[in-house]
Amino acid sequence: KNQVEQSPQSLIILEGKNCTLQCNYTVSPFSNLRWYKQDTGRGPVSLTIMTFSENTKSNGRYTATLDADTKQSSLHITASQLSDSASYICVVSASIYGGSQGNLIFGKGTKLSVKP
Amino acid sequence: DSGVTQTPKHLITATGQRVTLRCSPRSGDLSVYWYQQSLDQGLQFLIQYYNGEERAKGNILERFSAQQFPDLHSELNLSSLELGDSALYFCASSVDRGEQYFGPGTRLTVT
Repeated sequence: KNQVEQSPQSLIILEGKNCTLQCNYTVSPFSNLRWYKQDTGRGPVSLTIMTFSENTKSNGRYTATLDADTKQSSLHITASQLSDSASYICVVSASIYGGSQGNLIFGKGTKLSVKP
Repeated sequence: DSGVTQTPKHLITATGQRVTLRCSPRSGDLSVYWYQQSLDQGLQFLIQYYNGEERAKGNILERFSAQQFPDLHSELNLSSLELGDSALYFCASSVDRGEQYFGPGTRLTVT
C-alpha cells in the first residue's frame, strides 16, 4: 500500500535553532517527492521538488534530502525564524509520468512552532 | 499569491443544504484539483479535471460533484451537507502533471 509517514507529528523549537523533519514513504513506482509549507488556514506552498536522481535540493534556509534506496527524505531548516511556524507536508508522486493526481500521496504533515 | 483564486473565502450553512465553491486556476493551467482538509487532518484529494474532463477521482463522496467549464474555472458542489463536511476546501492548478499551485481555500462551516 502506498503510504507517506512524517515525523515528528509536531515540534517546538527556539528561534535561531535548526531542525530536521522526516518523511518515510512506501510508494511505487516513485516519480518525485515534494515538500510543501502550509501556514494555518492558508493553501500549501511548494518548497522543493526532487526526482529519483536528485539527493539534495535547497531553497533558501530550507534543504531537502532524498535517499531513494531507503525511501526517506528530510527537510532541514536552518536558523529558524518565527515565520517558519507552519505545517510541513511531504508529498510523493507514484506515477512514472510525473503524477496525475490520482497518484499523489500526502503525508499528514509536521506542525512546527518556532518560539522567540 | 499563487494566482489561483477561490470564492467564497468563508461559508456558513446549515445541515442538509447545498453549496457551490468556485475556483479560477492560474492563467494557462489546464488542470484543476480539489482537496478537503478537515481540522488537524492532512489534505485529502477529492477530484481532478483536465481541460474540462474528469481525470482522476479520490475520496470524493457521492454527495459531492465537480465540473470544469470551457473557460477552465471549476466548481465543487456539496449537497445534503453534514456537520462532518465542515473543513477547508482547497483548489490547486497545474499546467498538466507538473507543479501544483494552491489557492487560499474556502472555509466551510456546517451548523
